[in-house]
Amino acid sequence: GAVVSQHPSWVICKSGTSVKIECRSLDFQATTMFWYRQFPKQSLMLMATSNEGSKATYEQGVEKDKFLINHASLTLSTLTVTSAHPEDSSFYICSARDPGLARGGEQFFGPGTRLTVL
Amino acid sequence: SQQGEEDPQALSIQEGENATMNCSYKTSINNLQWYRQNSGRGLVHLILIRSNEREKHSGRLRVTLDTSKKSSSLLITASRAADTASYFCATDATGSGNTGKLIFGQGTTLQVKP
Repeated sequence: GAVVSQHPSWVICKSGTSVKIECRSLDFQATTMFWYRQFPKQSLMLMATSNEGSKATYEQGVEKDKFLINHASLTLSTLTVTSAHPEDSSFYICSARDPGLARGGEQFFGPGTRLTVL
Repeated sequence: SQQGEEDPQALSIQEGENATMNCSYKTSINNLQWYRQNSGRGLVHLILIRSNEREKHSGRLRVTLDTSKKSSSLLITASRAADTASYFCATDATGSGNTGKLIFGQGTTLQVKP
């Protein structure tokens, strides 16, 4: 199957700093990528849909000015957590669709980024 | 908000037994997908079932879909200790504008004892 990578795999930062997380589709072009957040022992919560060349679509309750998403190329989307606070500590996961796959619909997930804000 | 609910929330069985997890959802869907997640890791896609399908098999996995009841089940047969993980259903709702965005259920934590 298709491969999606994330970088970094984990990051620890001080409160008030900004953190950038990268999501890359390695062997396919993804016009759409998704960003999820997962708190311990909970499910994945969709934060936003990242569209190549246009603005991201945010889910209700997600602050677009706090979680900046940029999808400048067909293989890279970035999520920047601005002015991070301890409550932003979470597991951030991205996914991507491969529109070229015949079966369609399937999303490929990155390995996740563990963010800890001190 | 989350689309679906899964039950049970936690399941503990012996190796060799079958494990059944259920998922319910609220809106019309294009497809329903099941994913597996090992602790602290990313998700692995297991199986996708489209809204016009009723049953699908993949190895030791069997998935059913009942759109009239808005529910799905995942059956893992002859379970192994390595099947220990969290299992999530996710729906691709028809109202999502064909973006393919998925809404996840709460998940079932499966423990298979050797």
